[in-house]
Amino acid sequence: GAGVSQSPRYKVAKRGQDVALRCDPISGHVSLFWYQQALGQGPEFLTYFQNEAQLDKSGLPSDRFFAERPEGSVSTLKIQRTQQEDSAVYLCASSPLAGGVHGEQFFGPGTRLTVL
Amino acid sequence: AQRVTQPEKLLSVFKGAPVELKCNYSYSGSPELFWYVQYSRQRLQLLLRHISRESIKGFTADLNKGETSFHLKKPFAQEEDSAMYYCALDIDGNKLVFGAGTILRVKS
Repeated sequence: GAGVSQSPRYKVAKRGQDVALRCDPISGHVSLFWYQQALGQGPEFLTYFQNEAQLDKSGLPSDRFFAERPEGSVSTLKIQRTQQEDSAVYLCASSPLAGGVHGEQFFGPGTRLTVL
Repeated sequence: AQRVTQPEKLLSVFKGAPVELKCNYSYSGSPELFWYVQYSRQRLQLLLRHISRESIKGFTADLNKGETSFHLKKPFAQEEDSAMYYCALDIDGNKLVFGAGTILRVKS
């Protein structure tokens, strides 16, 4: 079956531009996660959704970052007024389990964002 | 604070040699730990989790709460094991805290 998909796979933005990154989780997966992975680092948590509810956004680095999952399936991560330090790979993951239950997260291929 | 430390950026071994990828964690709660692997040009995927106590592709990992460690081991490395390995700590089922990763290179 289809895994987690993300689009675009690569995005180049000029400093100050707004970008939107899309994640299509595995069908039926309740939980959805966004991570940011800087070069040479491990993924860092950004935010977590259970269905359409954003239950944890403690990892969002600034108010320029905004995520939504309005119908409990597809999610969009939006970054306003991009800056060079936003350059990273943005990973989306989904899980069939609700929060509080430890289980495997299924990762997408990531979107590589480069801000010039 | 919740933290995962992987002290080695790169581990290079010969085929057939034993492998140990180190992972230490800091967490005040009951730890749930995972190893994720990323092969070349592939996405991040689960290798194993400590609660299942299973061996996957010959790899095992034992949680040592006294030493706050979850080292990944394999007795005989194979070339196809070459990849990036991440140790991860699950926080309440709501997020993963990852280490910086260790590149494993298995030389023939």
